[in-house]
Amino acid sequence: AQKITQTQPGMFVQEKEAVTLDCTYDTSDPSYGLFWYKQPSSGEMIFLIYQGSYDQQNATEGRYSLNFQKARKSANLVISASQLGDSAMYFCAMSLNYQLIWGAGTKLIIKP
Amino acid sequence: NAGVTQTPKFQVLKTGQSMTLQCAQDMNHNSMYWYRQDPGMGLRLIYYSASEGTTDKGEVPNGYNVSRLNKREFSLRLESAAPSQTSVYFCASSDPGVEKLFFGSGTQLSVL
Repeated sequence: AQKITQTQPGMFVQEKEAVTLDCTYDTSDPSYGLFWYKQPSSGEMIFLIYQGSYDQQNATEGRYSLNFQKARKSANLVISASQLGDSAMYFCAMSLNYQLIWGAGTKLIIKP
Repeated sequence: NAGVTQTPKFQVLKTGQSMTLQCAQDMNHNSMYWYRQDPGMGLRLIYYSASEGTTDKGEVPNGYNVSRLNKREFSLRLESAAPSQTSVYFCASSDPGVEKLFFGSGTQLSVL
């Protein structure tokens, strides 16, 4: 079955520390994409980063990087030098055939 | 630069009432989507439209209908609202390949 699993319902991290949010996926399709979205308390969905299944290098976007381990079927999000504004829900998602399959999310709280 | 515009932002309905959620995008995207987000869960796909003139069911289509009015607009209709349809609804659009979804700001719907 095609599935996304985020095992951390919530995390507390000290400001300026790096944080890793876990995501594992399950699919037998060789072609897929992996996304991370941020949802602050205001409710909008903000695209952070994308990794294609055939991409050789890990994706990076500013302070965000995606640690893609294909053999382990994991796509963890790494946020370097966390900031108070990073406090939000974070969702991992997988694209297959026009559909995005979403994880349940991780609530990240950055402590000052 | 408006992006994806959803209306209304909030709505309260009584059981059995009908309503239509409107969505428009100005990015000339071919694909449009309707998702619902329930508390503590990721997004679930209700319907999508891969291109103008086509619509397909997603994961949770029961109780909903959609219309792709033109390339810009994709509406979601609840014919007879039920309390189980209380949720936050998001419209999104993308180019083919779903490398990046652009989301509207969401509609918070309560059915009493």
